[in-house]
Amino acid sequence: GQQVMQIPQYQHVQEGEDFTTYCNSSTTLSNIQWYKQRPGGHPVFLIQLVKSGEVKKQKRLTFQFGEAKKNSSLHITATQTTDVGTYFCAGGGANNLFFGTGTRLTVIP
Amino acid sequence: KAGVTQTPRYLIKTRGQQVTLSCSPISGHRSVSWYQQTPGQGLQFLFEYFSETQRNKGNFPGRFSGRQFSNSRSEMNVSTLELGDSALYLCASSPLKREGLVDTQYFGPGTRLTVL
Repeated sequence: GQQVMQIPQYQHVQEGEDFTTYCNSSTTLSNIQWYKQRPGGHPVFLIQLVKSGEVKKQKRLTFQFGEAKKNSSLHITATQTTDVGTYFCAGGGANNLFFGTGTRLTVIP
Repeated sequence: KAGVTQTPRYLIKTRGQQVTLSCSPISGHRSVSWYQQTPGQGLQFLFEYFSETQRNKGNFPGRFSGRQFSNSRSEMNVSTLELGDSALYLCASSPLKREGLVDTQYFGPGTRLTVL
């Protein structure tokens, strides 16, 4: 079956350092979505990428969708304590979303 | 617009019991999906309903079932509870179900189920 793998599982960074999480699918995706879940909260939608090679930015966050539409990445520049949480990618299949295992980001002040 | 609401927020049951969880989607959203979230398995897709029909189902046993009403509200039921069913159950709604492109999921706060 379709799988979406995400690495790393955990990441600790000093405030101000950069952070990147990677998402890989075993099959071609129709789209990729990214969500953030704060501790004790629920996943909140960040962005959706649809086109091959697409790059989108949201302030300090940069999202990329691979040329083959099988991988994606989220890069945060100069992390802040407000970036703490778990970041999930979700790959779109034909009629379903397959969530990655998530990357839990800890930012040390 | 009000967000996705789920009731109850917390639930404690014992093994063998059954439980029903409720979800009210964002007004106008017709697609409702259910997910199970555990520390070890992450977010696992349970099923998705659109216009009162189950459109998609994850790899969960038949003890897990759901339904959707004409007003798009949804319920999920778990029968014969097991210890491993302890998890956060998240409901998510989407505005439109389009073939080939899964829409943004708007998640509710979840129901924390503990099975003793």
